[in-house]
Amino acid sequence: KQEVTQIPAALSVPEGENLVLNCSFTDSAIYNLQWFRQDPGKGLTSLLLIQSSQREQTSGRLNASLDKSSGRSTLYIAASQPGDSATYLCAVSGERGSTLGRLYFGRGTQLTVWP
Amino acid sequence: EAEVAQSPRYKITEKSQAVAFWCDPISGHATLYWYRQILGQGPELLVQFQDESVVDDSQLPKDRFSAERLKGVDSTLKIQPAELGDSAMYLCASSRQGARTETQYFGPGTRLLVL
Repeated sequence: KQEVTQIPAALSVPEGENLVLNCSFTDSAIYNLQWFRQDPGKGLTSLLLIQSSQREQTSGRLNASLDKSSGRSTLYIAASQPGDSATYLCAVSGERGSTLGRLYFGRGTQLTVWP
Repeated sequence: EAEVAQSPRYKITEKSQAVAFWCDPISGHATLYWYRQILGQGPELLVQFQDESVVDDSQLPKDRFSAERLKGVDSTLKIQPAELGDSAMYLCASSRQGARTETQYFGPGTRLLVL
């Protein structure tokens, strides 16, 4: 079964810092990888989606990279702001058989950016 | 901007009672997903519909959980009887065709507390 791990579990930084969130997965047979944001008590908002054939995706101050063969992804947030405070979830989509298209989530990294 | 709607937002019930959650996906989205997210963990897929048909319910505890999407639009998830361990956030998501390249759009969730 696919296992997704996110490190660190929590992160607290001052405003303006650049930071990196890490995600690893045990089965490299993925179709894509997504990063989501979840605010307290709310649903999930998709931030970036990387196809397995891609190496990275960028959106504004966010950059996500994917190394499929080593089972790793990083989410880079530049010039962090208090509004970035949320839980960031990594999810991979299965590539074959019963896992096709199914999302497997990590437990998330809880980010706090203080002024 | 179209959104996935869920109701109720919060539900408190006693164990052994029946509960039901409702989801209305984004108009035109053929694929609908129900996830359960236990506090501090990532969401786990319970059931996936393509139009009115179930395509994956392998993680649905079928002795107490049921889900339906009779007309291929909105969906209901039911728990009967509820147990203490069912306390969690129940998230609904939809995508246009369930294609592997597509983003899933999540609703705000229903937070269930079983006493």
